[in-house]
Amino acid sequence: KQEVTQIPAALSVPEGENLVLNCSFTDSAIYNLQWFRQDPGKGLTSLLLIQSSQREQTSGRLNASLDKSSGRSTLYIAASQPGDSATYLCAAKPYSGGYQKVTFGTGTKLQVIP
Amino acid sequence: DTAVSQTPKYLVTQMGNDKSIKCEQNLGHDTMYWYKQDSKKFLKIMFSYNNKELIINETVPNRFSPKSPDKAHLNLHINSLELGDSAVYFCASSQGQSTSGNTIYFGEGSWLTVV
Repeated sequence: KQEVTQIPAALSVPEGENLVLNCSFTDSAIYNLQWFRQDPGKGLTSLLLIQSSQREQTSGRLNASLDKSSGRSTLYIAASQPGDSATYLCAAKPYSGGYQKVTFGTGTKLQVIP
Repeated sequence: DTAVSQTPKYLVTQMGNDKSIKCEQNLGHDTMYWYKQDSKKFLKIMFSYNNKELIINETVPNRFSPKSPDKAHLNLHINSLELGDSAVYFCASSQGQSTSGNTIYFGEGSWLTVV
């Protein structure tokens, strides 16, 4: 059974700092790894999706990496801004079963202090 | 024009009542889902519905029943509500299930509180 862990559960940084969020998964047989953002009172918004054959994906100030062999993914946020404050979740999708088989982490709550 | 919309956003009800949460997506997707997020922020799949095929998470009590009148709608009906049903329920949709590059879109959640 896949287990996805995100440490730390909460993180507070000053504005402008570069930061890394961590995601660990126990079963390396994944189809893709996806990072989501959840704002208070809102649903999840997809940020980056990394296929199992890829090593990283970039979108603006965000860079996500994937190391299947070690069961780890990281989300790098450059020059953090107060608007980045949210909960970030990672999700591991297996080869079969679609999104009903996706395992979500419990998230890292990020606060960027002005 | 919200892609995945669910109603109501907030629902407070007494134990034993029956309630429904509605979900609609205007993305033309063929697969819809219901997820439950508990107080610890743990997100778990409850149901998915693809081309008239319902896939049920076997850990979900049979008091929960999804209903899909068409591909754009997947409603969640809950009978005999219990205190432990209090959670945030998210509807979501995607095109296909396992094809690469297809992401999943979430609604904004329905906060259910059972008192």
